[in-house]
Amino acid sequence: DAKTTQPNSMESNEEEPVHLPCNHSTISGTDYIHWYRQLPSQGPEYVIHGLTSNVNNRMASLAIAEDRKSSTLILHRATLRDAAVYYCILRDNFNKFYFGSGTKLNVKP
Amino acid sequence: DTEVTQTPKHLVMGMTNKKSLKCEQHMGHRAMYWYKQKAKKPPELMFVYSYEKLSINESVPSRFSPECPNSSLLNLHLHALQPEDSALYLCASRPYPLSEKLFFGSGTQLSVL
Repeated sequence: DAKTTQPNSMESNEEEPVHLPCNHSTISGTDYIHWYRQLPSQGPEYVIHGLTSNVNNRMASLAIAEDRKSSTLILHRATLRDAAVYYCILRDNFNKFYFGSGTKLNVKP
Repeated sequence: DTEVTQTPKHLVMGMTNKKSLKCEQHMGHRAMYWYKQKAKKPPELMFVYSYEKLSINESVPSRFSPECPNSSLLNLHLHALQPEDSALYLCASRPYPLSEKLFFGSGTQLSVL
């Protein structure tokens, strides 16, 4: 089973960029890297995904290391609404999505 | 309609009860998932259905019985549960194989007494 490692918590100031790291040293060549976030009492919400190249969307950017053993989720300007638990996930060949332990992001005004 | 709807939102059951959790989506997604999430822990994969057929069972105890009667509906039948089965049960769907994105419901908070 693919596994990811994330810091337990991080803190950011409002309107500053946030870089959330994830290690996935046992990733296989066909595993996709996903990021989801979860607010209290809600289901996880899709943020972004990628395979090899860096990705941008309206919510965030995903930077993937050249050896694919790590990745970083970048929130360009954190807002109070971005406070959540962020999960780094690997999707394997069998359609399984395995969640990492998650990083709780606190955004200070 | 871009929602995954789970019912009930809360459920309390005794260890001898039989109950069912329901998950519905009308987005035409052909992969559906059950996850279990304990407090302050990440979701853990339980079952995956692809094209209404069970494709993955993550060694889940037989007191949990999934069912996918059609492409829009996913059930989780519960019988003889233990207090340690109390958790948030999340359903997700994916427009497999066209898209990577998972859509989650808000979950059913289950308490086993």
